[in-house]
Amino acid sequence: GAVVSQHPSWVICKSGTSVKIECRSLDFQATTMFWYRQFPKQSLMLMATSNEGSKATYEQGVEKDKFLINHASLTLSTLTVTSAHPEDSSFYICSALLAGGPGEQYFGPGTRLTVT
Amino acid sequence: DQQVKQNSPSLSVQEGRISILNCDYTNSMFDYFLWYKKYPAEGPTFLISISSIKDKNEDGRFTVFLNKSAKHLSLHIVPSQPGDSAVYFCAATFWGGNEKLTFGTGTRLTIIP
Repeated sequence: GAVVSQHPSWVICKSGTSVKIECRSLDFQATTMFWYRQFPKQSLMLMATSNEGSKATYEQGVEKDKFLINHASLTLSTLTVTSAHPEDSSFYICSALLAGGPGEQYFGPGTRLTVT
Repeated sequence: DQQVKQNSPSLSVQEGRISILNCDYTNSMFDYFLWYKKYPAEGPTFLISISSIKDKNEDGRFTVFLNKSAKHLSLHIVPSQPGDSAVYFCAATFWGGNEKLTFGTGTRLTIIP
């Protein structure tokens, strides 16, 4: 149980375009999902907390107008990278919080974004 | 400000021996700690966790030790197996922190057959 999927697994886009990444909890409902990004050989950095039915909470330094997060249902959160630039190229990972778990987040497989 | 640190970026251990991965934290409000295993281009997989009310938690080959006074935790893997080769992240959170995890920088563990 506790499976989280992400789509797409990798995407290449041109600079200036927007890309949407989906995160789904497949066998449980998640009122809270998180979005991280990871640069090569670095730690996972939390970008934002996504709560179903409310606005996302962004971490300091993360542009909310650039990284649009929508948590429309208890099993789906989306991250849209708007007007992507090469510096946005990274590995984006989502996680879903299993209700009742004090921090036991289940992670998706990640999405590799390359902006050319 | 790196609140969770893993000072060893890499570690090599012979198969069958014990692997010990270390993690230090600075925020005394953290009261729940987790270890994740990560393969390249995949999301982290939860391994084991420990609450600050305990100093040890075991799950099969994995044991996590917590030393609150030293703000230090460690993950022991015994016996180490080739499939354990991966990057290990420790993470910390605290009640009332909206379940946000703060991750360490990771340690790449290589098990030598």
